[in-house]
Amino acid sequence: NAGVTQTPKFRVLKTGQSMTLLCAQDMNHEYMYWYRQDPGMGLRLIHYSVGEGTTAKGEVPDGYNVSRLKKQNFLLGLESAAPSQTSVYFCASSTTLQTGGNQPQHFGDGTRLSIL
Amino acid sequence: AQRVTQPEKLLSVFKGAPVELKCNYSYSGSPELFWYVQYSRQRLQLLLRHISRESIKGFTADLNKGETSFHLKKPFAQEEDSAMYYCALSGRGNKLVFGAGTILRVKS
Repeated sequence: NAGVTQTPKFRVLKTGQSMTLLCAQDMNHEYMYWYRQDPGMGLRLIHYSVGEGTTAKGEVPDGYNVSRLKKQNFLLGLESAAPSQTSVYFCASSTTLQTGGNQPQHFGDGTRLSIL
Repeated sequence: AQRVTQPEKLLSVFKGAPVELKCNYSYSGSPELFWYVQYSRQRLQLLLRHISRESIKGFTADLNKGETSFHLKKPFAQEEDSAMYYCALSGRGNKLVFGAGTILRVKS
């Protein structure tokens, strides 16, 4: 029962390099999210998606791009990595709104990214 | 603006002592409040949500709209409660706004 799977778990990049983080979920959830976690700041939303082929900006989108070509996958890209993007990145998914209110989000294990 | 404030970075208590993790929020509407927990080497997971009005692992949290608070409480702390606790607010579109988190350490 995988739930939300993030790849890779760790990565070290040099300033200016690009990379893509992959998030996959097997729960048939419509909503997917990317957060970054920094000390003293909690988790902040980078981008999110409410369905296949749609994406939207969150609180801290600058320097990142995303794509949701398949319902189960949500990719986070860093076009030109900067030291300020050193962080732990979490992906999450949730089902759509129901009569019981906003649904809980299910999180992956995180990706620890260091930019030198 | 939506904001969640957890004033304590670290809360250290002895086993068997009561626990209260504070959470205050600001939101111009009817928010939904959650507590998420991250145990050592585990992924972030939902602990409880205010609309469920249930007790999970002995923890409860009551939404106080007058004081805009959603404090997490447990009458008797256990060592296995040691973890990072995040209070979160969900508004439109099911987007979560998290507080900075509080580390709970339960000492034996």
